[in-house]
Amino acid sequence: NAGVTQTPKFQVLKTGQSMTLQCAQDMNHNSMYWYRQDPGMGLRLIYYSASEGTTDKGEVPNGYNVSRLNKREFSLRLESAAPSQTSVYFCATDRGTRSGSGNTIYFGEGSWLTVV
Amino acid sequence: GESVGLHLPTLSVQEGDNSIINCAYSNSASDYFIWYKQESGKGPQFIIDIRSNMDKRQGQRVTVLLNKTVKHLSLQIAATQPGDSAVYFCAEAKWGAQKLVFGQGTRLTINP
Repeated sequence: NAGVTQTPKFQVLKTGQSMTLQCAQDMNHNSMYWYRQDPGMGLRLIYYSASEGTTDKGEVPNGYNVSRLNKREFSLRLESAAPSQTSVYFCATDRGTRSGSGNTIYFGEGSWLTVV
Repeated sequence: GESVGLHLPTLSVQEGDNSIINCAYSNSASDYFIWYKQESGKGPQFIIDIRSNMDKRQGQRVTVLLNKTVKHLSLQIAATQPGDSAVYFCAEAKWGAQKLVFGQGTRLTINP
């Protein structure tokens, strides 16, 4: 997972608190993604940024906001955390075009968030 | 809505045997499929992918098979090793689209 860095790795929040997950990539990729992973489930897309300056909703965007700060950085914000947002969050990147096999998404190590 | 799912949530195999992990998809418009491996406490890692114009693709010790008729995808791991223990996810997309849809995952455990 080299090249995609997420912070923090672990966080405990109280219901109603806000926080921002940071993600940075040094792979010069155009597209960046935020996924959440719940126990026994696959990854679900929250938001993505196809390129610098653009963001779009994914499958489960409610309760989240994102900012594509520059080409390298894509942050995920929880304005008022809820227990249902307890999950593992993964940032990911790719070149942004399906230009051939092997062009795939690279994931960060994950951020474990617990909302109590 | 359309979804990608896995037939078996867990799979146990003997070390040295071949493993086969299956995946069913329902979106007939999907034409790009990927297998990921996720070890405990880590993010998913790319294993192998295949486009819908192919039936089979081989990598190092891994083979992906695609049966478009029955919308079925499988990952074969040859000579399974302890390091292969992980959760394996299939994912689907429309070629050129940004979004991947992931299945639930299969946990592969290796018995010594």
